[in-house]
Amino acid sequence: QVTLKESGPALVNPGQTLTLTCTVSEFSVSALGTRMGWIRQPPGKALEWLARIDWNDDVFYNTSLRTRLAVSKDASRNQVVLTVTNVDPVDTATYYCAQIQAERTNSGWLSWFAPWGQGILVTVSS
Amino acid sequence: DIQMTQSPSTLSASIGDRVTITCRASQTISTWLAWYQQKPGRAPNLLIYKASSLQSGVPARFSGSGSGTEFTLTIDSLQPDDSATYYCQHYTAYLYTFGQGTKLEI
Repeated sequence: QVTLKESGPALVNPGQTLTLTCTVSEFSVSALGTRMGWIRQPPGKALEWLARIDWNDDVFYNTSLRTRLAVSKDASRNQVVLTVTNVDPVDTATYYCAQIQAERTNSGWLSWFAPWGQGILVTVSS
Repeated sequence: DIQMTQSPSTLSASIGDRVTITCRASQTISTWLAWYQQKPGRAPNLLIYKASSLQSGVPARFSGSGSGTEFTLTIDSLQPDDSATYYCQHYTAYLYTFGQGTKLEI
């Protein structure tokens, strides 16, 4: 059974760098065609996509957050890592990792998230 | 960027009802839409992809339709377990966009 699990600090001080890890099982983050994503959700608010990393290390970021985000993968540990620099209380959210499914059509690529990790709540506060 | 707008924001219905949730895109997006269900304290779960394809394991009471700029998620024969928030999601040009969510109360 495919599982994804996020790990990292529950509490981060403003201005610091947040590092989150997604550990996956039953598939390889480096296998051809594997794509991984990070999504967050502030308490009581909607989902917001943050970043994506592909098997070949291609990376893509939310336009408005790209200067503060970095995503990478550790093939030996089968993990995907997200860093968020200079965090602020508005970055308080549950952070999810998810496998990205994709399908090529005549008019381009379709893409969606499945499955998801359980999520990790990160609070930014002094 | 393409904006996704869901309506209504909240919806109250009874067991056995049929409900419809709408997602509108700010420009045409073909059938590039997915729907998720999220229960309190849980991660989202994929229901529908490619606008109308049912994800494996999802009850057939759930269905999706639409193309272009208007899409709908329909739930037939509403069950107590369907109480959740539902999100639409679009992908294009390496960007993913979610709707603001529709909270369904049973």
